Order: sequence, then C-alpha cells, then structure tokens
Amino acid sequence: GAVVSQHPSRVICKSGTSVKIECRSLDFQATTMFWYRQFPKQSLMLMATSNEGSKATYEQGVEKDKFLINHASLTLSTLTVTSAHPEDSSFYICSARPPLAGGYNEQFFGPGTRLTVL
Amino acid sequence: QKEVEQNSGPLSVPEGAIASLNCTYSDRGSQSFFWYRQYSGKSPELIMSIYSNGDKEDGRFTAQLNKASQYVSLLIRDSQPSDSATYLCAVNIEGSYIPTFGRGTSLIVHP
Repeated sequence: GAVVSQHPSRVICKSGTSVKIECRSLDFQATTMFWYRQFPKQSLMLMATSNEGSKATYEQGVEKDKFLINHASLTLSTLTVTSAHPEDSSFYICSARPPLAGGYNEQFFGPGTRLTVL
Repeated sequence: QKEVEQNSGPLSVPEGAIASLNCTYSDRGSQSFFWYRQYSGKSPELIMSIYSNGDKEDGRFTAQLNKASQYVSLLIRDSQPSDSATYLCAVNIEGSYIPTFGRGTSLIVHP
C-alpha cells in the first residue's frame, strides 16, 4: 500500500513554456500533499503544502504565481510551472500523507519529475 | 527555527559491517521521527518510523530514539553495497504534519 505516482517522470521544454506535473495517490486518499524541489547534490526543499479543496500554503521565497498548485481531489494534486526558465530546471518530487492513523505523520513520495528547461 | 542536523558524510563502511547514522533535532516538542533512503537520482523512500523512546527493529534496520538527548539514529546491520545511498532524517513537531528534513548523510558500503 501507500503508492504515489507522478507523471511525467521526465520533461524537457523550451524556456517560456508551462509544464504541468501530476501527483496521484493510488491506494489511499491523501488529505495532504507536499511538493518538493531538489537541485543536484542538495537537500529536499519544501515548496508548498496542499490540502484537498483549499489553497496551497507556499513556503517563504516560493512564488505562488509561478508554481501553481491544484489539489482537486483526495487522490490528485498538480503542480504547474508557468513560464519556465532554465533556473527552474530541477527534480520535483511530490509526497502524500494518508489520513492520520493513531496520530502518525508518515508521508510517501512519488518517483519524481526531472524538469529540464532549455 | 526548527532544525534537524545530520553529518553529510560520506560515511564509508565495509560490506558486512554495521553502519550508524545519527540525527539531532532542536525542537523538544517533536513527536514523529522518520528515516528515508534516497538513491542517487531517485526520490526518497520511507524505511523506518519511530515515535517513542527506545529501539525499533525492522529486518537489518534499527531506529533508536532518545528524546531527552534529542537524537535519533539508524543502524544498518550487515551492510550491503546496495545500501549505499543518502539517508534523510525527518522530524515532525507536535501538532504539525509538516516534516523538517535534515540534509542527509551519504553512506558508502564498499565490498
């Protein structure tokens, strides 16, 4: 159980285009999903937290108009990188948190999306 | 500022040895503790969670939690080259579902 998928796994796009990344929880309903970015040889950086049916909460320094997050259902969250530029090239990873069971906070990661902006 | 500290390594151990990975955290209200393994170019994978003081064993992995000293560790027995990865420690403070991740410790298990 606790499988999270992400699509696409890899995308290459031209500068100025928008890219949408989907994150799905396959066998559980995720009340909360997280979006992370990771540059090579660096640590995970939390970008935003999204709860189903409400606006995402962005971390300081993350532009909400550039990184649009939609958590439309309990199994799907999307991240759209708008007007992508080469500096947005990174490894984007989502994670999902099942409803609390006994107060636990485990989260499960998707396989990640490697974005390259030319 | 909530902090989770890990030695970046690399920690190099011979095959068959015990690898010991440590993590300290600053917030005394922390309640949930996790270890993730991340292979190069891949996303993190949850390998252990621990919530109360003491040891928790799962196969070759043992997580140890000491809330008084504010550290959590991960022991890997009979280390294999396939264990070579970066190990991330994550901590949730009480009442928060947003984890704070350490920067990770790189483990190299050499034959």
